Amino acid sequence: AQTVTQSQPEMSVQEAETVTLSCTYDTSESDYYLFWYKQPPSRQMILVIRQEAYKQQNATENRFSVNFQKAAKSFSLKISDSQLGDAAMYFCVRHSGGSNYKLTFGKGTLLTVNP
Amino acid sequence: SAVISQKPSRDICQRGTSLTIQCQVDSQVTMMFWYRQQPGQSLTLIATANQGSEATYESGFVIDKFPISRPNLTFSTLTVSNMSPEDSSIYLCSVRKRGGGNEQFFGPGTRLTVL
Repeated sequence: AQTVTQSQPEMSVQEAETVTLSCTYDTSESDYYLFWYKQPPSRQMILVIRQEAYKQQNATENRFSVNFQKAAKSFSLKISDSQLGDAAMYFCVRHSGGSNYKLTFGKGTLLTVNP
Repeated sequence: SAVISQKPSRDICQRGTSLTIQCQVDSQVTMMFWYRQQPGQSLTLIATANQGSEATYESGFVIDKFPISRPNLTFSTLTVSNMSPEDSSIYLCSVRKRGGGNEQFFGPGTRLTVL
């Protein structure tokens, strides 16, 4: 089975500091998408950022950026200037390319932001 | 993005009964999906809800246990049949919009507890 691995079950960061969440994945495809979703205690799943595998440039969305290493199959998320509202479960997600629209989720990293 | 609502938001049910969860989207979408999130776990895809035809189920999930309907492009239901305590989970619907970047947008989830 093609998997997504998040090796950090829990992480914590001080408010205003930077934290990096790790993710590795397995795939035999050359065309695919990667995402980070967050799920706060409200349980609403929210898209944070996405990366298209054919793009070499790392995606950024305001304080969120990724380090996409295609050859290493690594996709880490950096959160800069952490805010209390960033506290949530973060899921690394892989989408298979082509007409198969299934998402494969990692087990998640629980991020705590300390004031 | 898409605005997705689910009903009910939560329910407590007795063993052996069935519950139907509704998912409504504010615009027509190409694909709708149903996921299960067991306590403290990641998301697992149950099935893809196909408009006008039978749903496509993932390994380990069967139509008799999780019948799905999708009568139009904005609405779907998932029924959890003959429930047992092991069915206690959060059930989420998600959608993919045509022309999007293959990301999915999620509903707020239905928290089901089976006694």
